[in-house]
Amino acid sequence: EPEVTQTPSHQVTQMGQEVILRCVPISNHLYFYWYRQILGQKVEFLVSFYNNEISEKSEIFDDQFSVERPDGSNFTLKIRSTKLEDSAMYFCASRGTPTTGELFFGEGSRLTVL
Amino acid sequence: EDQVTQSPEALRLQEGESSSLNCSYTVSGLRGLFWYRQDPGKGPEFLFTLYSAGEEKEKERLKATLTKKESFLHITAPKPEDSATYLCAVQAHFNNAGNMLTFGGGTRLMVKP
Repeated sequence: EPEVTQTPSHQVTQMGQEVILRCVPISNHLYFYWYRQILGQKVEFLVSFYNNEISEKSEIFDDQFSVERPDGSNFTLKIRSTKLEDSAMYFCASRGTPTTGELFFGEGSRLTVL
Repeated sequence: EDQVTQSPEALRLQEGESSSLNCSYTVSGLRGLFWYRQDPGKGPEFLFTLYSAGEEKEKERLKATLTKKESFLHITAPKPEDSATYLCAVQAHFNNAGNMLTFGGGTRLMVKP
């Protein structure tokens, strides 16, 4: 069964450092998302991406965050200067159509900022 | 603003004891309501999407139903392996260019043998 894969599974970084989280969406999907979940809290939307540009972003997705699809398979989330409050699970998701059908999530990347 | 509220926050069941989880929502036109299962430290695993009031979907011991204000996830004769957090999410039709999902806080289900 096709799946969304994410790397790394866990990353520990110092405050102020840059972090790149990587995702390989399901191969025939065109719509990509990043969500995050702070421990014990709700899953929150960060950004959606289609046709090589951001479709929508939340208030959380400030200038410290960026997304990129550098090639035909990878989808990345970059945090330029990490803060303590960026510690969370980051989930990549993809779907084949934007308005119907399943949205599939990866297993997540746990980011710990010290 | 779209809102999703799930109840109860936690539910303990004996194996075989059927029950229901509730998801109440307010949304600017519902495009879809999603149910996911989430195991500790893992990503949400897709279960169902419901699109209109009256719709029902089933998968093994799970059955999801939808009204104009809420959705229920019915669990029939649960087994210990059904223990997980169940998440509900809505996708709004309007003011949602990115087709994002808004999630509820989840119901943590524990099934004891």
